[in-house]
Parts: sequence; C-alpha cells; structure tokens
Amino acid sequence: KNQVEQSPQSLIILEGKNCTLQCNYTVSPFSNLRWYKQDTGRGPVSLTIMTFSENTKSNGRYTATLDADTKQSSLHITASQLSDSASYICVVIPSFASGGSYIPTFGRGTSLIVHP
Amino acid sequence: KAGVTQTPRYLIKTRGQQVTLSCSPISGHRSVSWYQQTPGQGLQFLFEYFSETQRNKGNFPGRFSGRQFSNSRSEMNVSTLELGDSALYLCASSLGWTSGSVDEQFFGPGTRLTVL
Repeated sequence: KNQVEQSPQSLIILEGKNCTLQCNYTVSPFSNLRWYKQDTGRGPVSLTIMTFSENTKSNGRYTATLDADTKQSSLHITASQLSDSASYICVVIPSFASGGSYIPTFGRGTSLIVHP
Repeated sequence: KAGVTQTPRYLIKTRGQQVTLSCSPISGHRSVSWYQQTPGQGLQFLFEYFSETQRNKGNFPGRFSGRQFSNSRSEMNVSTLELGDSALYLCASSLGWTSGSVDEQFFGPGTRLTVL
C-alpha cells in the first residue's frame, strides 16, 4: 500500500529561524512529488513540484530536496516569517507503471507555527 | 485571471440526504479533481475529470459521484449522506494534471459540509 509519512507532526519556531520538514514515501515508481502550503480555512497552494529525476527545487524561501534512493524528501524554509504559519503537505503521484493509475498519496501534513 | 471557485462554501445536511457541490475551474483548465479533507484522514483523492470523462477514481464508495460539463465546470454528488461524510471538499484544476504531467494544480477554497 502506498504511504507518505511526514514529520514532525507539528513544529513551533521563532520568526527568522530556519526549519526543515520531512517526507518519507513508499510510492514506487513515482512520477512527481509535490509540496503544498495550506493556510487554515483555505485550499492548498503549490510550493514545489519535483520529478523523480530532480534533486532540488526552490521557490523563494522554500527549497525542496528529493532523494529517490532513500525515498525521502525535505522542505527547507529559510528566514521564517509569521505568514509561514500553516500546514505543509507532501504529495506523491505514482507513475502509470506502478499500477495503472495516478491516484495521489498525501501525507498528513506538518503544522508549522511561527512565533514573533 | 479568476481562481477556482466552489459553491456553496458551507453546507449543513442531515443523514440520508444527498448533496451536490459545484466547482468552476480556472479558464482554460480542462482537468478538475476532487478531494475530501478530514482531520482524521487528511486529504484523500476522490476523482478526476478531463474533457467530461472520469479519468481517475479514488477508493470511495459509489455514493460519491461526479461529472464535468463541456465548459469544464464540475459537480460532485454525495447520496445517502453519513455522519462520516462531514469534511472539507476541495476541487482543483489544472491544464492536464494526471497522466504523469507536472502541471500545477490550483485549489479552490473548498466547501465545508456538515452532516447532522
């Protein structure tokens, strides 16, 4: 069964600090891995999209890395801001070869709180 | 460019009733996907429509159905509502989404369904 595990479940940091969120997955083979940011009461917003052949992708202060050998991805947030307080969700999209479907598997998310 | 819109934003129903939710994608997007989000299960994929055809379906019972119109607008229907169907229902649109694409998905704000 395809699984995506995220850690930590929640994280509290001070404004200006850096942090790293983890995503471990079992989906194989996969087409692409995505990170989303979801503010409370709103729909998720795409941060990064990486194919299986990419190692890193940046979007401003957000940098995602991917290690396909260990089936791990991380999202690094630099110089955190109060507006970074949100849930961060990792999603893995399987490739057609993994079973003939493209049903995405979502992690449960990491809840990040940035304190002033 | 207008974003993805969902109506209604909030809905209260009782067990046994049925409900229809609507999603208008970003202009030019032909793929619409539906998701259910609950505190217990997180985000789960319901189904995806592309050019009026269901292209992928998640592991939900047949009470959950959907359709897409020629203008790409989509509706999802849940019949014989159960308490466990209380959730945030999100739709997302993209140019192509699945079939291994890396097209970005844009989410709507969601419809909060409460079943009493």
